[in-house]
Amino acid sequence: GQNIDQPTEMTATEGAIVQINCTYQTSGFNGLFWYQQHAGEAPTFLSYNVLDGLEEKGRFSSFLSRSKGYSYLLLKELQMKDSASYLCAVKLDYKLSFGAGTTVTVRA
Amino acid sequence: ETGVTQSPTHLIKTRGQQVTLRCSSQSGHNTVSWYQQALGQGPQFIFQYYREEENGRGNFPPRFSGLQFPNYSSELNVNALELDDSALYLCASSLVLAGVNEQYFGPGTRLTVT
Repeated sequence: GQNIDQPTEMTATEGAIVQINCTYQTSGFNGLFWYQQHAGEAPTFLSYNVLDGLEEKGRFSSFLSRSKGYSYLLLKELQMKDSASYLCAVKLDYKLSFGAGTTVTVRA
Repeated sequence: ETGVTQSPTHLIKTRGQQVTLRCSSQSGHNTVSWYQQALGQGPQFIFQYYREEENGRGNFPPRFSGLQFPNYSSELNVNALELDDSALYLCASSLVLAGVNEQYFGPGTRLTVT
């Protein structure tokens, strides 16, 4: 089976920085995705890493270390609208294998 | 550009019944994947269709079946519904080319089995 682990919940203050870690042990690897999902809505694409290193996209950055089976999503200058579930997903050939998601709550 | 759409939005069925969920892929996309998301969990891959053929399947029993049509829209059929089938069913479309193959998700169908 595929193991993709991420923390269940995180809480942070508006304007702060939060780092969501994801570790994976999978039978293959064709890249790692991060998705944001608000309650009752579809997941929306945030970032994609296939090579080691940091990808920056505005307030969101994602890092990958393939040798360590590790990724993180960094959310800077948190806003209330960032309260959501963040899903880490490993691409395996034709499918995505998801972690259970990390619920981030941003407090004023 | 039209995004991924799914119908119906919500559905309530009784155990043992059959259900059909529908998905229209994003314009220009030729691949559709279906996922089941139980409450508090990440999406679980059911299967994928590429050019009207099943292209891969997750750990779901045969009573989960699907179709893809020439216009790349798709259906998910579930027979003999069980209580554990209650979940959000997500459809995602993508364009199979070299590169990211990012999947775009629809809003989902919330299925409740009683």
